[in-house]
Amino acid sequence: QLQQSGPGLVKPSQTLSLTCAISGDSVSSNSGAWNWIRQSPSRGLEWLGRTYYSSNWYYDYAVSVKSRMTIKPDPFKNQFSLQLNSVTPEDTAVYYCVKGSLYYGMDVWGQGTTVTVSS
Amino acid sequence: QSALTQPPSASGPPGQSVTISCTGTSSDVGGFHYVSWYQQRPGKAPKLIIYEVTKRPSGVPDRFSGSKSGNTASLTVSGLQAEDEADYYCSSYVGGNTYVFGTGTKLTVL
Repeated sequence: QLQQSGPGLVKPSQTLSLTCAISGDSVSSNSGAWNWIRQSPSRGLEWLGRTYYSSNWYYDYAVSVKSRMTIKPDPFKNQFSLQLNSVTPEDTAVYYCVKGSLYYGMDVWGQGTTVTVSS
Repeated sequence: QSALTQPPSASGPPGQSVTISCTGTSSDVGGFHYVSWYQQRPGKAPKLIIYEVTKRPSGVPDRFSGSKSGNTASLTVSGLQAEDEADYYCSSYVGGNTYVFGTGTKLTVL
């Protein structure tokens, strides 16, 4: 199960930060990756990035957000987080944390967090 | 990476079958056997219903089936039921460790 937390309102140019707490699994397991996906009326569903552990931590990001986004796993708290810098109103969306594979699909979703970027 | 193309809407009466298409390119749908489909009901997170083009996760009714030909993948819902009314999204591995979704199709059960 994935439980998301974080603010629903962020000002333009600031940093969007969300956390996803994991229960019943481990962020350090090698049974899948930990992803962030967002959904908005204008951009639809958009995969943002992932992290996974396989002897080392690995990270992949979508080209559209690569320069602004960081995913951080926290094995001690068994959670992972999203930081998106320099947000604009275009970043307004429902953000989901998701466990899954780029090959075999995204099979465990968080409840979603609606984030609005507005002054 | 551009979104995969789906028809905005599809519909059918209860008991009938409906097929939703998902068109990409040889760089995504046509290039890999990693197409997935998701069902999303209003206000809920998407739910995985098909992966690796044709496979169903445990608990997904066999009324849902997937296929692929060239750069186009398809989802068929047989024996339509009222509960199947939802938005459906395809997705594909793109290579370079990237993933893309389709534009989405609203399925209406008449």
